[in-house]
Amino acid sequence: DTAVSQTPKYLVTQMGNDKSIKCEQNLGHDTMYWYKQDSKKFLKIMFSYNNKELIINETVPNRFSPKSPDKAHLNLHINSLELGDSAVYFCASSRDTNTGELFFGEGSRLTVL
Amino acid sequence: AQTVTQSQPEMSVQEAETVTLSCTYDTSESDYYLFWYKQPPSRQMILVIRQEAYKQQNATENRFSVNFQKAAKSFSLKISDSQLGDAAMYFCAYRSYGGSQGNLIFGKGTKLSVKP
Repeated sequence: DTAVSQTPKYLVTQMGNDKSIKCEQNLGHDTMYWYKQDSKKFLKIMFSYNNKELIINETVPNRFSPKSPDKAHLNLHINSLELGDSAVYFCASSRDTNTGELFFGEGSRLTVL
Repeated sequence: AQTVTQSQPEMSVQEAETVTLSCTYDTSESDYYLFWYKQPPSRQMILVIRQEAYKQQNATENRFSVNFQKAAKSFSLKISDSQLGDAAMYFCAYRSYGGSQGNLIFGKGTKLSVKP
């Protein structure tokens, strides 16, 4: 069983469209994250939720909106996609906000044409 | 704010040889975690090894070991008996212990090539 799963794994879309990436973890963790990996492979935190509460909201355009319906799910919705949004988006989870490591999903490669 | 620096964008090693990847970090905290993650071409982020700052003993996982120098804020990864499957991007990462946010702060990565 995949511990942290993201769908879709690949997404190709036109500029201006709206798209969503879904993430689910079956580890019973309290905390979930979205990271963006750019073309130079740099990983940067975007959002973090702890027990469905937003705790990290980095400087991200408000076209990006996370939603956590329960603590096992964290979805990312992106409005009005731009070329610069092309990247790999990783979902991750951890037991809580202060112990241990993060477990990552396989990433979702978004390509905006 | 904490920062993580990996000064080697690329490294190369011969199969069966040993290679060391460097990582330095900056923090004013006394308790924290340090990690090495591996990202092969498959894109998956795989935890290689972790170190708690309060532990003086260097972590070891099979062929992977670290040299943790807390005073120098250095955390290098040694890969012994390198294998072709070790070829990947390696990321050093920092995480506060006891913090309220919990996110990892990553270095920019080192791309490791393994020559047969």
